[in-house]
Amino acid sequence: EVVLTQSPDFQSVTPREKVTITCRASQSIGNSLHWYQQKRDQSPKLIIKYASQSFSGVPSRFSGSGSGTDFTLTINSLEPEDAATYYCHQSGSLPGLTFGGGTKVEIK
Amino acid sequence: QVQLVESGGGVVQPGRSLRLSCAASGFTFSSYGMHWVRQAPGKGLEWVALISYDGSDKYYADSVRGRFTISRDNSKNTLFLQMNGLRGEDTAVYYCAKEEIAYDLSGALDYWAQGTLVTVSS
Repeated sequence: EVVLTQSPDFQSVTPREKVTITCRASQSIGNSLHWYQQKRDQSPKLIIKYASQSFSGVPSRFSGSGSGTDFTLTINSLEPEDAATYYCHQSGSLPGLTFGGGTKVEIK
Repeated sequence: QVQLVESGGGVVQPGRSLRLSCAASGFTFSSYGMHWVRQAPGKGLEWVALISYDGSDKYYADSVRGRFTISRDNSKNTLFLQMNGLRGEDTAVYYCAKEEIAYDLSGALDYWAQGTLVTVSS
């Protein structure tokens, strides 16, 4: 099973600041890495697919990069509505698909 | 628009069974793989199971293999999760989610249901 390790676990950020979240895979998964945003009491929403492709309707301040084992989600100029927990997810290793542990982003 | 509506959650005693359903609309259900993902209270996301678009391929997390069964009825646009031998650690919100790409077996999950809570307790 591919283990995904996210860092940091928690980040407190002021509006308009830049946020960087990393996700490290225990083995190479190519670009089969996706990012989701989950706001409090809501279901997760896809924001970045295949490491760097933005999902339809997602604001351009969200971007992703990386391949192999190291991936990054960047939020440029954080907005108050971006307060959420962010998860990475790998789909490159069946049968065991996995999620990272999550990064909670709080607005100061 | 895509809609996924779950039902079947509730409180169940350890060792008993429960079946979750996920009714799909707004897309060609028979063309997409489907997943179940769960989230224990206050915890992160855990992938549970995957079924291919035609039901011919199924995969499970180690934690549920042999106890849970994923299935689908493409004539009724409905996904199921049969959960047997339930344990306390199965307590979670269960989400069904849709594969983004038609006929793909494992990729990004572009739409998620609202979630249904399963509580395993005596």
